[in-house]
Amino acid sequence: DAGVIQSPRHEVTEMGQEVTLRCKPISGHDYLFWYRQTMMRGLELLIYFNNNVPIDDSGMPEDRFSAKMPNASFSTLKIQPSEPRDSAVYFCASALGTGELFFGEGSRLTVL
Amino acid sequence: AQTVTQSQPEMSVQEAETVTLSCTYDTSESDYYLFWYKQPPSRQMILVIRQEAYKQQNATENRFSVNFQKAAKSFSLKISDSQLGDAAMYFCAYRSPNTGNQFYFGTGTSLTVIP
Repeated sequence: DAGVIQSPRHEVTEMGQEVTLRCKPISGHDYLFWYRQTMMRGLELLIYFNNNVPIDDSGMPEDRFSAKMPNASFSTLKIQPSEPRDSAVYFCASALGTGELFFGEGSRLTVL
Repeated sequence: AQTVTQSQPEMSVQEAETVTLSCTYDTSESDYYLFWYKQPPSRQMILVIRQEAYKQQNATENRFSVNFQKAAKSFSLKISDSQLGDAAMYFCAYRSPNTGNQFYFGTGTSLTVIP
């Protein structure tokens, strides 16, 4: 298996622009998590899905953030409009049942 | 919500020596899972070791082992014969099957390996 695949690896954009991060979980995994990592705040859970259904989105910072999982093999995290404080590394991770998390390589977002 | 505490923001160890990273957690549950993840400068999060709470035997993976003390709610990671490639940020994580199978992460310990 190719593991969790995230795109893009790097994104540089200007304040106010829309940003879409993409994730393909490991085939067969029923959980998908989106995390944000910064030096100041560490690793933060934004939202997670079970069988494509959002379970907990209490970590989503505000209405500018939205996440979808239209099917078992694809998820997106969208920021609109983006702000400089959104600059971070965004990780997608998937898991099967009560197993361990498998992380993607992360998407580094820089908002100017 | 469960909390995971890593009280050592930074640790260092001489190459070939042994180091122990601490992790404690707060829970009222009896069934859960614990993990240690490594994040090297490449930023890829890699699973180091996993422990099921119902297992009394401490998990071991080559040079990595844990000291799981369920009553004390402690889950420390021991790295033996430390290598330069062990330098990374290490995160302790707790997974609860009773609260939606969510993962709770500690704040991490940055490990430096001195040649």
